[in-house]
Amino acid sequence: AQSVTQLDSQVPVFEEAPVELRCNYSSSVSVYLFWYVQYPNQGLQLLLKYLSGSTLVKGINGFEAEFNKSQTSFHLRKPSVHISDTAEYFCAVSVLGGSTLGRLYFGRGTQLTVWP
Amino acid sequence: SAVISQKPSRDICQRGTSLTIQCQVDSQVTMMFWYRQQPGQSLTLIATANQGSEATYESGFVIDKFPISRPNLTFSTLTVSNMSPEDSSIYLCSVEDEGQGPLEQYFGPGTRLTVT
Repeated sequence: AQSVTQLDSQVPVFEEAPVELRCNYSSSVSVYLFWYVQYPNQGLQLLLKYLSGSTLVKGINGFEAEFNKSQTSFHLRKPSVHISDTAEYFCAVSVLGGSTLGRLYFGRGTQLTVWP
Repeated sequence: SAVISQKPSRDICQRGTSLTIQCQVDSQVTMMFWYRQQPGQSLTLIATANQGSEATYESGFVIDKFPISRPNLTFSTLTVSNMSPEDSSIYLCSVEDEGQGPLEQYFGPGTRLTVT
């Protein structure tokens, strides 16, 4: 079975500070990895995804994430946040192949709040 | 990218009644998914709906409680039947946009359901 753990439910930071949102997963098979963002009263938007290749993935809005297979982690980072980055961030995994192809397993989310 | 709309955006319903949520996509897609996001919780997949076949339900979800229709490649409905307060959640539909690459899922804005 697959599971996703987001270690921090809330992360408050000041504007222009760096931020890291942590995500760990468990799976007995290879996975694809995703980060989604949910702004207030909006649907989820894909930030970035790791399918294969380079372990450092760059996404929209200046975010990037690094896949670490040995640590089964996929932490999201941004060197300098803006107030507009205030949102809920979800880490998700999908299993390669099989009958569950396309099924996303989500973490509980991390609320990022950026203060002026 | 696929644009998804949901109706209604929110509703307050009495226990014992049923609500049908509509999901409309602006392009033809093969796979559509229905998720539930309970307060303070992560997204949980309810079922996968492919056009021309019966929906596939995840463990803990049954067709009698959450009947799904998928009459064509751009539309789906989810009904929450015989509602109880425990059904109060945000319900989201998503689609896999095959034109954007593997596992590129797009989400609707959600339907916020409150059962009293």
